[in-house]
Amino acid sequence: DAGITQSPRHKVTETGTPVTLRCHQTENHRYMYWYRQDPGHGLRLIHYSYGVKDTDKGEVSDGYSVSRSKTEDFLLTLESATSSQTSVYFCAISVGYREDYGYTFGSGTRLTVV
Amino acid sequence: AQSVTQPDIHITVSEGASLELRCNYSYGATPYLFWYVQSPGQGLQLLLKYFSGDTLVQGIKGFEAEFKRSQSSFNLRKPSVHWSDAAEYFCAVQGGSEKLVFGKGTKLTVNP
Repeated sequence: DAGITQSPRHKVTETGTPVTLRCHQTENHRYMYWYRQDPGHGLRLIHYSYGVKDTDKGEVSDGYSVSRSKTEDFLLTLESATSSQTSVYFCAISVGYREDYGYTFGSGTRLTVV
Repeated sequence: AQSVTQPDIHITVSEGASLELRCNYSYGATPYLFWYVQSPGQGLQLLLKYFSGDTLVQGIKGFEAEFKRSQSSFNLRKPSVHWSDAAEYFCAVQGGSEKLVFGKGTKLTVNP
């Protein structure tokens, strides 16, 4: 199974500070995704990547940027954290082919902006 | 653009009763559909998925789902619910660029 690790698992930060979350995969999967999860909203796509240095916006991208300089790492940055960005963040990768196709999710990062 | 609607925010059933969670999707092409379950404070676990072929899909933990193209639905069912099934359930459809679009979720409470 593809390994996917998110760091940190928990973070508390102050309003206005920059924050970077990391997603690391152990295999060469092309597609990587960042989601945020909030009560009543399910999971919403922030940004995704379809290759090194190839990224695009999701439905809730305002206030977030991403970078992917290596296949295995996909970074999510909050340039200036706000309380509305308090959330649980999940990274995901798409894996497999045909009947084996699916998504693997990280364990999540719980971010609190105070 | 693709979208998923889960009409029921919260459902309560008694242990041993049958369960059906509704999911409607919007997508122009043949959809790839998924159901995930999330226990409190946990990550997402895949219950089942539909790509093509048989429209009745079997998953883990005794769950099944039926794809109905004419109704744009992919409802999740279980004949007899266990207390351990209490969780939040998410339906999702794969869209362009292999993006996964989620519904807002249905929280299931199981009464003893």
